[in-house]
Amino acid sequence: DSGVTQTPKHLITATGQRVTLRCSPRSGDLSVYWYQQSLDQGLQFLIQYYNGEERAKGNILERFSAQQFPDLHSELNLSSLELGDSALYFCASSVWGATDTQYFGPGTRLTVL
Amino acid sequence: GQQLNQSPQSMFIQEGEDVSMNCTSSSIFNTWLWYKQDPGEGPVLLIALYKAGELTSNGRLTAQFGITRKDSFLNISASIPSDVGIYFCAGQQRDNFNKFYFGSGTKLNVKP
Repeated sequence: DSGVTQTPKHLITATGQRVTLRCSPRSGDLSVYWYQQSLDQGLQFLIQYYNGEERAKGNILERFSAQQFPDLHSELNLSSLELGDSALYFCASSVWGATDTQYFGPGTRLTVL
Repeated sequence: GQQLNQSPQSMFIQEGEDVSMNCTSSSIFNTWLWYKQDPGEGPVLLIALYKAGELTSNGRLTAQFGITRKDSFLNISASIPSDVGIYFCAGQQRDNFNKFYFGSGTKLNVKP
């Protein structure tokens, strides 16, 4: 158990809908990262937060948004969903140190029908 | 953008054989990490390396942080069927918004 929690584990929804994925980082970790992994693909970096502030953006679509709350949990919002958004979404957290280690949550499997 | 070149892409080996995979980059990293991912699961951290030249073991796994800070390798000795999965390397750069860059993965298949 990495200490990073994600809910829900599975999500099935229809095209055009909006969903929210939730992540709680490990105790003491200030930074949260979101990744998308499509079938048999690598990890695509979406967005990064540190202590409530957005720090870096990757290949995140305009239909997607995220935020990190004062208690450091984070939410990833996916709207106007398309079939191609079906994927595993992972959250990871780290302390944010000169040398740092990233720990991953178990992921949310999103299926868009 | 930054890229980590991970090789090989896939390996088919016999149980009991040793395995070696590596990651290289044109950039310098502060940390090198190795993860294993099982299908449908989150990547699990295997080994973290924080210093150039560092050699670290975790059971049958051994990884090294390259002296140039631009590469790392992971060795698995005496492979067993439960070693099957995808292995990812990752490099961390503190100066670049503390970003982590991932290799494309090595898919390991172990034949009993």
